[in-house]
Amino acid sequence: AQTVTQSQPEMSVQEAETVTLSCTYDTSESDYYLFWYKQPPSRQMILVIRQEAYKQQNATENRFSVNFQKAAKSFSLKISDSQLGDAAMYFCAYRGANTGNQFYFGTGTSLTVIP
Amino acid sequence: DVKVTQSSRYLVKRTGEKVFLECVQDMDHENMFWYRQDPGLGLRLIYFSYDVKMKEKGDIPEGYSVSREKKERFSLILESASTNQTSMYLCASSLGWVAGVYNEQFFGPGTRLTVL
Repeated sequence: AQTVTQSQPEMSVQEAETVTLSCTYDTSESDYYLFWYKQPPSRQMILVIRQEAYKQQNATENRFSVNFQKAAKSFSLKISDSQLGDAAMYFCAYRGANTGNQFYFGTGTSLTVIP
Repeated sequence: DVKVTQSSRYLVKRTGEKVFLECVQDMDHENMFWYRQDPGLGLRLIYFSYDVKMKEKGDIPEGYSVSREKKERFSLILESASTNQTSMYLCASSLGWVAGVYNEQFFGPGTRLTVL
């Protein structure tokens, strides 16, 4: 099975500052997708950003961007201009072509935004 | 927009009761999933289904069963609830793998189950 590792159980950031959440994964596949999901307190899990492995360009969605290092099997999430609404649990996830129906999740990083 | 709904947000049951958690998606997704979410453990896959009447065990299937009689509906069953099954249960759905197509999961709001 694939493994996804989030080594930071908790992070904090000052409002308006930038924070980077780390994620590493282990795979022998060449065709896969990576995702960051956000789960606000007592609210639904939603997709923040996704990256296709075959794309060298890092994905961006407004204030959210990723640093995808395929050789290092690293997929970090950068949140710029942090807002109070960014406070949530963030999960990194992997889906591979050879294990196409399964998704593999990290254990999550709890992000606190300090006013 | 894809919508995944779960039958209850909060549920309280007694030890030994049979518990049904229902999940419905409205986007004709092939795949449906049941996860259990516990603090510090992330999301653990209980079962998933890639087609009607098809199911695969995930990482922690013991004590659970599932049913998928219709494509849009995926049920999780606790045959005899125990206190260690107190948890948040998340349902999700996705398309089957298609190269070059966005393949993310869509999640329901979750059911927080307490077994007394």
